[in-house]
Amino acid sequence: DQQVKQNSPSLSVQEGRISILNCDYTNSMFDYFLWYKKYPAEGPTFLISISSIKDKNEDGRFTVFLNKSAKHLSLHIVPSQPGDSAVYFCAAVGDNAGKSTFGDGTTLTVKP
Amino acid sequence: GAVVSQHPSWVICKSGTSVKIECRSLDFQATTMFWYRQFPKQSLMLMATSNEGSKATYEQGVEKDKFLINHASLTLSTLTVTSAHPEDSSFYICSASPSPDEQFFGPGTRLTVL
Repeated sequence: DQQVKQNSPSLSVQEGRISILNCDYTNSMFDYFLWYKKYPAEGPTFLISISSIKDKNEDGRFTVFLNKSAKHLSLHIVPSQPGDSAVYFCAAVGDNAGKSTFGDGTTLTVKP
Repeated sequence: GAVVSQHPSWVICKSGTSVKIECRSLDFQATTMFWYRQFPKQSLMLMATSNEGSKATYEQGVEKDKFLINHASLTLSTLTVTSAHPEDSSFYICSASPSPDEQFFGPGTRLTVL
């Protein structure tokens, strides 16, 4: 059973609008969540993270929201830019060793 | 999605020994594999990009003589941690790309160096 799910394999938005990427998890032991961004032919790069003691973390145009009761987190990108077009992975960490469980990714396309 | 496996999933070794970690793409061929290191409560750190049939490209600060990578076939890449020390204890995660737009992660290997 997949513990971290990104139910939308793709998302397309217009430049300047908001992009919302969603991630659901099933394991209540997860206490730290991360978003990664991946361009074609490159490895993922870290984008933003959130601890389970918070419900929001903001970094520039990127904001991650965590709803623990719903076991749901989302990444908001405002305003979206064409350079944001990439695959976005969410990951959840639930043990002290830092082992991450990843979602399958959502491909974001921002149209000029 | 496609499956990437890692072996072993957990290894404990003595300081000074070498440890080999395998990354396999089970149902697809991967021309490119990535190796990451995961520290507790931190994001993944890309160590190197492994291309089948050629030398790996290491990220800045990663010792290529310490972390040997061999991508001998389209379904297998190996990471050998040579002369491991306790500070090398970490999670090592690989990912495999069947195409530039796809990437699948392995489950990770927990290395503990005593």
